[in-house]
Amino acid sequence: ETGVTQSPTHLIKTRGQQVTLRCSSQSGHNTVSWYQQALGQGPQFIFQYYREEENGRGNFPPRFSGLQFPNYSSELNVNALELDDSALYLCASSFEQRQGNGYTFGSGTRLTVV
Amino acid sequence: GESVGLHLPTLSVQEGDNSIINCAYSNSASDYFIWYKQESGKGPQFIIDIRSNMDKRQGQRVTVLLNKTVKHLSLQIAATQPGDSAVYFCAENSGGSNYKLTFGKGTLLTVNP
Repeated sequence: ETGVTQSPTHLIKTRGQQVTLRCSSQSGHNTVSWYQQALGQGPQFIFQYYREEENGRGNFPPRFSGLQFPNYSSELNVNALELDDSALYLCASSFEQRQGNGYTFGSGTRLTVV
Repeated sequence: GESVGLHLPTLSVQEGDNSIINCAYSNSASDYFIWYKQESGKGPQFIIDIRSNMDKRQGQRVTVLLNKTVKHLSLQIAATQPGDSAVYFCAENSGGSNYKLTFGKGTLLTVNP
């Protein structure tokens, strides 16, 4: 079975631009969560998608949005990029919102905003 | 508000020694705790978890201890190996929020050969 894959691995964008990050969930998983990890910090929860619906959201502004597709892959979109959006963006998938051992992270997308 | 924090940002040990990484949490509603290991360039990897109705759980070379009285969590790694070098995070899930994990800041563990 394949794990969680994220693309691209690295990305450089200019302030004010828009970006789309992609995540393919692990086979059999129907839940995808997105996290932002600033340098030297722990991951911070952005939102979760469960069966194609947003199921919960952290303290992030509306310019952070997402989608989940029928195959349970997901996109994170960020509009009007700011310098502080520079971070590692992590996607985690699970089955039926399970956490712990059934919650698998991808290796992340490193976004740099200049 | 809820928060999860760590006492020490870095920990350096000799190969073969035991390591103890500590974590404090402030949300008394937290009922599920997880330890993750994150190696450079990778996402967090599950190590061990514990529910609030337990005070100790053991895995392979790892033990998690939970003290709900003082809201403290620790991860013990026995016979630490160079491959254990990584950043370790504790994360918590508070009751009623089954979608969100709150992570601490992390502890960098360095194992010296």
